[in-house]
Amino acid sequence: AQSVAQPEDQVNVAEGNPLTVKCTYSVSGNPYLFWYVQYPNRGLQFLLKYITGDNLVKGSYGFEAEFNKSQTSFHLKKPSALVSDSALYFCAVRVLREYGNKLVFGAGTILRVKS
Amino acid sequence: DSGVTQTPKHLITATGQRVTLRCSPRSGDLSVYWYQQSLDQGLQFLIQYYNGEERAKGNILERFSAQQFPDLHSELNLSSLELGDSALYFCASSVGDGLYEQYFGPGTRLTVT
Repeated sequence: AQSVAQPEDQVNVAEGNPLTVKCTYSVSGNPYLFWYVQYPNRGLQFLLKYITGDNLVKGSYGFEAEFNKSQTSFHLKKPSALVSDSALYFCAVRVLREYGNKLVFGAGTILRVKS
Repeated sequence: DSGVTQTPKHLITATGQRVTLRCSPRSGDLSVYWYQQSLDQGLQFLIQYYNGEERAKGNILERFSAQQFPDLHSELNLSSLELGDSALYFCASSVGDGLYEQYFGPGTRLTVT
């Protein structure tokens, strides 16, 4: 079964420093991976996705993610964190070999950026 | 603003009752998804409809049902409500049924007392 793991419940980073939010996946076959962000009392917002091609995927708000097949990872990164990046981040994988566009989400990682 | 709308925003009801949550997808999107978010279960996929037909099913209880209407809006019906059904219910939509990103609505917070 497809799954993703976000090993850190919370990540703390100082404003202006680079940030990384970690995600590892487990799939049988080619992975299709997504990152979403959730601000308080809001729905999830799509950040970026990896389907195929370049291992470095660029997304919204200056975020990027690096796909690493050998380490089965898809870490979210940003070169310089902003206080406004503080939110809950979800990694997700599309379920393969089933009809539909079903996503399985990780437990989420809280990102706190301090000024 | 994602373009996906959900009503109501909040819902408080008693155990044993039935409620209906409504979702309007983004203009042009044919797929609608329902998710449940709770502290203990996290974000769980419930069901997907594509152009009026059920497309994929997740951890949806038998007490829950959904449908997508010809105008593509969708409703999630929750019956015989239990305290454990208290959660945030999200609707999302996407253009098609393939590897498309999903756009989420603001959610309906359901509280069962």
